[in-house]
Amino acid sequence: AQSVTQPDIHITVSEGASLELRCNYSYGATPYLFWYVQSPGQGLQLLLKYFSGDTLVQGIKGFEAEFKRSQSSFNLRKPSVHWSDAAEYFCAVGNTGGFKTIFGAGTRLFVKA
Amino acid sequence: ETGVTQTPRHLVMGMTNKKSLKCEQHLGHNAMYWYKQSAKKPLELMFVYNFKEQTENNSVPSRFSPECPNSSHLFLHLHTLQPEDSALYLCASSQGRQDQGGYTFGSGTRLTVV
Repeated sequence: AQSVTQPDIHITVSEGASLELRCNYSYGATPYLFWYVQSPGQGLQLLLKYFSGDTLVQGIKGFEAEFKRSQSSFNLRKPSVHWSDAAEYFCAVGNTGGFKTIFGAGTRLFVKA
Repeated sequence: ETGVTQTPRHLVMGMTNKKSLKCEQHLGHNAMYWYKQSAKKPLELMFVYNFKEQTENNSVPSRFSPECPNSSHLFLHLHTLQPEDSALYLCASSQGRQDQGGYTFGSGTRLTVV
């Protein structure tokens, strides 16, 4: 069965600093991998996804993520964080059999001025 | 109107009440989902419907009863709930037979059981 681990419960970065959120997955085959963002009181919004091809994927809002099969990781990065990026971020792994995407516990990002 | 719309946004109900949550998607997607989001816990998949047919029931208690009359609408009927059922209930939809496209989520219904 697939699983997702986000080691950091929360992270604080200064506005303008770079960001990396960690995600490790467990899945028997090449996974479908996703990052979602959730602002307070809202649903989740898809930031980016990977299922084949170039291991560096670009998403919305200036985010990117890199798939590293050898490390079973799919870390999310942003070169310069804005105060509006403060939110909770979820890594997820999809099932090639369909309909059973599993979400990590989330990492809450705080941005300080 | 586009995206995934959930109503109501907030719901307070007593343990003996019966209520329903509604989800509607205008994206032409074929699959719809109910997830439960509790504080300090990962999202829990509850139910999956594909082309109106239930394909997944993730050992959800019978006090939660889903209904999917068509590919655009999904309901979650609630009865005799417990305080631990208080959570954010999220509806999502997706296109295709596999998970590769990702999900579109609604804003959720914040449920409080008193």
